[in-house]
Formats: sequence, C-alpha cells, structure tokens
Amino acid sequence: QKEVEQNSGPLSVPEGAIASLNCTYSDRGSQSFFWYRQYSGKSPELIMSIYSNGDKEDGRFTAQLNKASQYVSLLIRDSQPSDSATYLCAVNGLVDSSYKLIFGSGTRLLVRP
Amino acid sequence: GAGVSQSPRYKVAKRGQDVALRCDPISGHVSLFWYQQALGQGPEFLTYFQNEAQLDKSGLPSDRFFAERPEGSVSTLKIQRTQQEDSAVYLCASGQGFSGANVLTFGAGSRLTVL
Repeated sequence: QKEVEQNSGPLSVPEGAIASLNCTYSDRGSQSFFWYRQYSGKSPELIMSIYSNGDKEDGRFTAQLNKASQYVSLLIRDSQPSDSATYLCAVNGLVDSSYKLIFGSGTRLLVRP
Repeated sequence: GAGVSQSPRYKVAKRGQDVALRCDPISGHVSLFWYQQALGQGPEFLTYFQNEAQLDKSGLPSDRFFAERPEGSVSTLKIQRTQQEDSAVYLCASGQGFSGANVLTFGAGSRLTVL
C-alpha cells in the first residue's frame, strides 16, 4: 500500500464551483499535512498546512483533517481557471524520520471557464 | 537568496555520462532535501541534509547517486554512469527548521534526459 494515496483525476469542475480533493495516508503517527500546488512544468508551491483535526481556512482554500480516518482533504471555493493544476498531498514520515515529506502522486484539477 | 536556485534547468546526457546538479538553498535554511519526480508522479524522497550532515540517504536509488553539502549551504547531486531510468526532474527543497512541521520551499528543478 502506497503511503499517501490520491485519485489521479482529472477532476473537472466548472468555474465558480467547489473543487474537493481527497488524500488518505497509511501512517497513523503522521502529525503534519500539507497541500502543494504544481503547475505543469513548475515546482510545487505550498498552499496549505494543517496539523490538528478539523478545518483550517485560508481565503478560498479550506483544509480538513481527520486523523481517526487518516484522511485529509482540500476544498477550493469559487474555483477559477487559474486553479487548474496538479495538487499534491504531503505527509510527514514516521517518528524517526519525521523531517521527511512523503508525497502522493497528485490529483489533476481542471476548472472549465 | 530570495528562493531556491537550481542549475542547470535542463540537462541532456548520453547513457553512461556523469552529471552534476546544483542546488543553492535559501540563505540560512538548515534543512535541504533532494527529490526525484518522474512524469505524472509525485516527488520521491532521495536524501536529506541538516546543515552539512547527510542524515538520510535512504531514497537514493543506487550507489551511482551521490549527494553532498560540504559547507552547509550549496548542495550537489551527482549521478554517475547515467541510465535511461534516471530521466526525471530533480527537485531541491530547503527549510528553516528540521521538525515534521518544517515548511519546505522548492526550487524550479533540474530536468534530466538520458538518451
């Protein structure tokens, strides 16, 4: 089982809709969770981090964490064509290598004008 | 510097050649990581430095891969006797701290194509 799982997509939503991206992880000991956005041919850039159960909002983005179910999600409200990118979920590693970020393979989001 | 700088941005190598990829992290950042990203995949961990110490090299695919950060700033990833399966984007990332909550900033990457 891959340590961080994401649906590869593409997830296609119309402009203005809510895009919902999901991620599950296998290590119950993980403490830090990140969402990175990667445009085609570019490097990943951090858009959200979350460390405790519940929701964390930042502008149009909301990250949701449920440690009991081992999933983390990202909601993008009022989606714009400029949000079209691959979204990478990243989780810190096991206790003895907590510095290490483990990435999922990413979900490609397409926002249709 | 303002961001993480990587060079070269693009490298084409013939199979069997040696290559060296350079990473200049954000000034003062303690942590430095190398990741490998194949097309359509997420970044895969290669190695981790805390200052000049290479604390984890468990992700290096073979002994043809070698990384160093001798003075705790610039890092070089060297690949000897390149193979076609080494073709990928090599990403460098740096972070201020070294805990699990450390936020990483990525460079633009070095795209390696092995013919």
